[in-house]
Amino acid sequence: DIQMTQSPSSLSASVGDKVTITCRASQGIRNYLAWYQQKPGKVPRLLIYGASTLQSGVPSRFSGSGSGTDFTLTISCLQPEDVATYYCQKYSSAPRTFGQGTKVEIK
Amino acid sequence: EVQLVESGGGLVQPGGSLRLSCVASGFTFSSYWMTWVRQAPGKGLEWVANIKQDGSEKYYVDSVKGRFTISRDNAKNSMYLQMNSLRAEDTAVYYCARFVGDKWDYPPGYWGQGTLVTVSS
Repeated sequence: DIQMTQSPSSLSASVGDKVTITCRASQGIRNYLAWYQQKPGKVPRLLIYGASTLQSGVPSRFSGSGSGTDFTLTISCLQPEDVATYYCQKYSSAPRTFGQGTKVEIK
Repeated sequence: EVQLVESGGGLVQPGGSLRLSCVASGFTFSSYWMTWVRQAPGKGLEWVANIKQDGSEKYYVDSVKGRFTISRDNAKNSMYLQMNSLRAEDTAVYYCARFVGDKWDYPPGYWGQGTLVTVSS
């Protein structure tokens, strides 16, 4: 099975900073990669799919890139409401494995 | 508005069974793949199973194969997860979700609030 590895596991940044989270697949998954945001105590929210397509209603400060095995989620200007855990997920085939998550905090 | 409402969670002893339900509204249920995702307390997300629009294709994570069965009843706008031979490690919040598009190659974009399953003696 394809493994999904996110880095870092956690990060702390200041409001207004650019934040980058990486997700690596153990084998190529083309662009079948999604990113989710989960705020504490809340339901996961789809941010990006197809590696770079922004889901409707998601702020434009979120962007995704990559293809094959290496993917990136970027928050261009970190806001207090972005405090959350972020997950990547491959959906090229079953099992639709998630990454282990990246916790984002405000410094 | 897409709405997904799970039910059926609760406390069950190891080795026991439970059936989760997910009732959908606000969209044509029979047109979409559906999925179950779970999250153990304080842990990350884990994909559990997918089911095609007509129920003809089903996929499971290895850890639940042979124990869990995903199904759906399009006439009732409902999806189910029959969970047998439950283990402590199955303790989690179980989310029902709908794919964001109507083909297999989409991720889940609409999620229910989840139902908690606790497996303990």
